[in-house]
Amino acid sequence: DGGITQSPKYLFRKEGQNVTLSCEQNLNHDAMYWYRQDPGQGLRLIYYSQIVNDFQKGDIAEGYSVSREKKESFPLTVTSAQKNPTAFYLCASSTRDRSYTFGSGTRLTVV
Amino acid sequence: GESVGLHLPTLSVQEGDNSIINCAYSNSASDYFIWYKQESGKGPQFIIDIRSNMDKRQGQRVTVLLNKTVKHLSLQIAATQPGDSAVYFCAENWTDSSYKLIFGSGTRLLVRP
Repeated sequence: DGGITQSPKYLFRKEGQNVTLSCEQNLNHDAMYWYRQDPGQGLRLIYYSQIVNDFQKGDIAEGYSVSREKKESFPLTVTSAQKNPTAFYLCASSTRDRSYTFGSGTRLTVV
Repeated sequence: GESVGLHLPTLSVQEGDNSIINCAYSNSASDYFIWYKQESGKGPQFIIDIRSNMDKRQGQRVTVLLNKTVKHLSLQIAATQPGDSAVYFCAENWTDSSYKLIFGSGTRLLVRP
């Protein structure tokens, strides 16, 4: 079955550490997205990519970095510059006719 | 920046009653809207969508209404069931060079048995 796989489901980060969240899709979707969700809040866009080797900042890109070397993969790195990284991170992909698919999320906690 | 907002953060309804969840959007260029359901610890689940050339769309037990004059979107759930308890988000998109969705802050629906 086609879909989006996010890993790991839970991730713990120490202060000052960089961590990378994985997002893989086998839907042949061109566009991919990363959202952050804080408790009781909506989804805020971190980064998005419409094609391979191209990506744009969303509303809250500071402290995050991404790459899009393959169509199927859009990893998100949470850097030490992100001062409050504890959140639920969601990856999504879409077709050009705006059919969206979401992953099941990664919960990141700073310890 | 422009964003999508919601009027009611929490809605409590009796099982079997109808639920109405509202959403206001501010981007007049938005031409595509989606309602999502999210259960705790899970990703958003698509419920129903509507394009700006329509003012109503019906699915199974759900109806979305779009009022472009006042930039308002609503989700109606008929005969609400305990399994409908979740957080509901509206999201908007406009036709430009990107396909990003902008989300509202969400409404929590609690269904009383």
